[in-house]
Amino acid sequence: RKEVEQDPGPFNVPEGATVAFNCTYSNSASQSFFWYRQDCRKEPKLLMSVYSSGNEDGRFTAQLNRASQYISLLIRDSKLSDSATYLCVVNMASGGSYIPTFGRGTSLIVHP
Amino acid sequence: DTGVSQDPRHKITKRGQNVTFRCDPISEHNRLYWYRQTLGQGPEFLTYFQNEAQLEKSRLLSDRFSAERPKGSFSTLEIQRTEQGDSAMYLCASSLDRVGSSTEAFFGQGTRLTVV
Repeated sequence: RKEVEQDPGPFNVPEGATVAFNCTYSNSASQSFFWYRQDCRKEPKLLMSVYSSGNEDGRFTAQLNRASQYISLLIRDSKLSDSATYLCVVNMASGGSYIPTFGRGTSLIVHP
Repeated sequence: DTGVSQDPRHKITKRGQNVTFRCDPISEHNRLYWYRQTLGQGPEFLTYFQNEAQLEKSRLLSDRFSAERPKGSFSTLEIQRTEQGDSAMYLCASSLDRVGSSTEAFFGQGTRLTVV
């Protein structure tokens, strides 16, 4: 079982749709949580951190459920420019410290 | 540009040759990570440094791989006797680790290695 699991998709949605991505992680001692965005043949870039109370940044909402070891990302009013791969990242406890551990990513395609 | 930089951006090498990649992290960041990414997968952790100390290495990091961060600033990743399976994007990231908290990692643009 992978430490961070995501549905690879692709999610193919029309402009204006709402789409949700889910991610589960295996290590209950994990500390911090993030969503990154990666465009084709580019490096991952931080989209947003994920807090226990949930947080929102414009059209993007992230939520964390520690009891279920589950993270989500909701994108409202999808734009063509949202097409990318979304990577769930968990700072996994390891040897007294933490290592950013990635899921395989969920591919989103927004079409006109 | 004060972000993470990697050099070279692309490298084509023949099987059996040695290659070395360089990463310059964000200057105030004390942590530096190396990842490998292949098509359709997320970045896979290889190793990381806290300042100049290499604190953890993944099982993915075979004996042919070695990394250094001699003065706690830039880092190098060397692959000896390259194999076709080493073809991948090698990503470097850095972060600022404070006691009791860990911040997000910032990535360089990666070095794309092709072994022919």
